[in-house]
Amino acid sequence: QSVLTQPPSVSGAPGQRVTISCTGSSSNIGTGYDVHWYQHLPGTAPKLLIFGNSNRPSGVPDRFSGSKSGTSASLAITGLQAEDEADYYCQSYDYSLSGWVFGGGTKLTVL
Amino acid sequence: EVQLLESGGGLVQPGGSLRLSCAASGLTFSNYAMSWVRQAPGKGLEWVSAISGSGGTAYYADSVKGRFTISRDNSKKMLYLQMNSLRAEDTAVYHCANSGGGTQDAFDIWGQGTMVTVSS
Repeated sequence: QSVLTQPPSVSGAPGQRVTISCTGSSSNIGTGYDVHWYQHLPGTAPKLLIFGNSNRPSGVPDRFSGSKSGTSASLAITGLQAEDEADYYCQSYDYSLSGWVFGGGTKLTVL
Repeated sequence: EVQLLESGGGLVQPGGSLRLSCAASGLTFSNYAMSWVRQAPGKGLEWVSAISGSGGTAYYADSVKGRFTISRDNSKKMLYLQMNSLRAEDTAVYHCANSGGGTQDAFDIWGQGTMVTVSS
């Protein structure tokens, strides 16, 4: 069981908007640690999508956005495209574990 | 362009050892902390170990503490993971990734990974 909780799957039609939630606790997100998001296609290198809760690295389309509030964070994807179909992971730091932690991952299906 | 390339994976018996390597290019290697992150079959990502840019400080997940040792050679731009007393639950794809090193920093660039299978 992962320290950060994500829905196992989400889906949406091309052009639609989807959100992926990431719920933590007072020992990680809730205590102020930043949340980062990664896109991963199995067999490839994971890609940093959002860092520092809401910042996009150079080259990441502005269709991807992140937010954080309290003990939770969210990733929103607007204007869904077929190429967005992948696994998405949130990540933060947990002081009680003294280590970096990930969510269980969310599989995005573009219908 | 920053690239990370892992190697050294393979099939090993329970209780055995394996050393993974990660070759970095396109970055000032010693400026970055490095981590190993693994993904077991059908499971999510799990942080395994991290090492500071100088190599002076190492961190481990409880699941591998005492069995795995992370190290680096900045002159060769290489990261290593020595894995001893391997268990079936260590079976996974192992990725290396760089970061700023702080608790708030993200894992910027990742390698494609190398597969480790622990089985008799």
